[in-house]
Amino acid sequence: GAVVSQHPSWVICKSGTSVKIECRSLDFQATTMFWYRQFPKQSLMLMATSNEGSKATYEQGVEKDKFLINHASLTLSTLTVTSAHPEDSSFYICSAGQETQYFGPGTRLLVL
Amino acid sequence: DAKTTQPTSMDCAEGRAANLPCNHSTISGNEYVYWYRQIHSQGPQYIIHGLKNNETNEMASLIITEDRKSSTLILPHATLRDTAVYYCIVRNRDDKIIFGKGTRLHILP
Repeated sequence: GAVVSQHPSWVICKSGTSVKIECRSLDFQATTMFWYRQFPKQSLMLMATSNEGSKATYEQGVEKDKFLINHASLTLSTLTVTSAHPEDSSFYICSAGQETQYFGPGTRLLVL
Repeated sequence: DAKTTQPTSMDCAEGRAANLPCNHSTISGNEYVYWYRQIHSQGPQYIIHGLKNNETNEMASLIITEDRKSSTLILPHATLRDTAVYYCIVRNRDDKIIFGKGTRLHILP
């Protein structure tokens, strides 16, 4: 299947700082990518749809000014958690694909 | 909301076939059935998908009932590495994926 990568795989930051997470499609182009968040012992929750060349579409309850999404090219989407707080600590996962969605390995964020 | 119903958890002995059921009684004609699994602390892994015919690949088989209201994922010879949460998802091929709670499969040695 297609390969989706994420960077970094884990990150620790201080409260109030911003953190950028990258999602790349390695062997295909993706006009759309998806961002999810997963808390311990819970299922994945869709945060937003990243659209190449246009604004991201956010799910209800997700603050667009806090979770900035940039889909700068057909192989790269970035999620920036701005002014991170401990409650933003979570496992962030992206997906991309044409008909079948393939998921990245995830980025674990810990905000101290 | 997820459009599927799955058992919360299941056990299967190592080496036996694991049969994971999924109900999707409100599936529409152009929606596919997809299966993913998530091993602890990893991103979800695509397993298989189908529309109405049974499907088989190197990982699993997917059996879809004739009325398409339910399906079964079959792992033919389960190993300890198959321990994971398995998600059954119904979607159009261009749609976003909404995850339900899935089935936690324990493979017993």
